[in-house]
Amino acid sequence: EAGVAQSPRYKIIEKRQSVAFWCNPISGHATLYWYQQILGQGPKLLIQFQNNGVVDDSQLPKDRFSAERLKGVDSTLKIQPAKLEDSAVYLCATSQGTVLNEQFFGPGTRLTVL
Amino acid sequence: GDSVTQMEGPVTLSEEAFLTINCTYTATGYPSLFWYVQYPGEGLQLLLKATKADDKGSNKGFEATYRKETTSFHLEKGSVQVSDSAVYFCALLNTGFQKLVFGTGTRLLVSP
Repeated sequence: EAGVAQSPRYKIIEKRQSVAFWCNPISGHATLYWYQQILGQGPKLLIQFQNNGVVDDSQLPKDRFSAERLKGVDSTLKIQPAKLEDSAVYLCATSQGTVLNEQFFGPGTRLTVL
Repeated sequence: GDSVTQMEGPVTLSEEAFLTINCTYTATGYPSLFWYVQYPGEGLQLLLKATKADDKGSNKGFEATYRKETTSFHLEKGSVQVSDSAVYFCALLNTGFQKLVFGTGTRLLVSP
């Protein structure tokens, strides 16, 4: 069974530029999560989708971050404009049902903002 | 709010040594508790879990017991291997809030 795919794996941008990350979930997984993991910290949930609807985006900085999950499958996370403090690893995870089901994580995208 | 506190790393051990990584939590209600592992260059993987007090989760020689009285979920392994070198994350799921809350992670380095 293929795992969660993410791209790109690494990205370096200047502050105030925009960037987008892509996630392809495990087939059949209805729930998709985006986490931000700053160096030295644990992952923090940014947004959770159930199919193509948003369940929780309470910790998403909506002035600069946006996310969508078209057709309930792939998802993209965008930052526009980026700030220095956005440097982090962005993790995508998916699960079959609700948050009570095991989450499977992708390898992450490491973003460096200069 | 809910939180998880882990011992700081790195934890450096020789092969076959005994491992303990401490984890304590603060939460309302009765959360489920998890240990995730992140090997170099890979995503987080669920290592083990416990869903109620006194439950013991175990996998690949690792164990952790859900202690409600001490709000702890310490990870142990009797004999570590070089291949266990990774970052270990303790996490809780409060079903009322429906989100995983992670600790800061503990890096384990095992030398031959």
